Amino acid sequence: DTGVSQDPRHKITKRGQNVTFRCDPISEHNRLYWYRQTLGQGPEFLTYFQNEAQLEKSRLLSDRFSAERPKGSFSTLEIQRTEQGDSAMYLCASSLSGAHSYEQYFGPGTRLTVT
Amino acid sequence: AQSVTQLDSHVSVSEGTPVLLRCNYSSSYSPSLFWYVQHPNKGLQLLLKYTSAATLVKGINGFEAEFKKSETSFHLTKPSAHMSDAAEYFCVVSLYNQGGKLIFGQGTELSVKP
Repeated sequence: DTGVSQDPRHKITKRGQNVTFRCDPISEHNRLYWYRQTLGQGPEFLTYFQNEAQLEKSRLLSDRFSAERPKGSFSTLEIQRTEQGDSAMYLCASSLSGAHSYEQYFGPGTRLTVT
Repeated sequence: AQSVTQLDSHVSVSEGTPVLLRCNYSSSYSPSLFWYVQHPNKGLQLLLKYTSAATLVKGINGFEAEFKKSETSFHLTKPSAHMSDAAEYFCVVSLYNQGGKLIFGQGTELSVKP
């Protein structure tokens, strides 16, 4: 296993369209996190899963955003009716639970541009 | 509430000179703290972590950080900068009671001059 992977790496879409991103975590990791990073800022937490259960959603995650992790493996993040303000880098990370350090390993990210 | 503040948005050093990137944290309990590095067009890479063991933490590529509870600081240092160290550095706190989610500082851009 070479780490966390994300697909696509880049996505350009028109305002109002729906987009879906995929994240494949490190295989033995049961926690999966989504973050969003805008230009010049640090990443901000969006949501996280432990196995297939979504345990927390940030206030940043409006009703247009939905995330799933069926079967506790890969995860998808969907944005409906995209807006220009959704343009950002979407980062996925995974970790083990119970390890007190909560060390998270990040994927390369999906850069979304909404025109 | 837990948070981190990176005191410098940009630091510039000459190759071969020491690096100091400053970070203060706020936490109501003993925190887990990290430094991550992000090179242009690359993913976030963990440099080092502090988890209530030794207060002086050694990481990859010659970086180290010292946890100082009395000063609520976790500054990142390196004795001698290399050109390849030029990148964005993030100080991060982990929220143990919230599933380990990470709170990032605003980042410090490190430039290394030849």
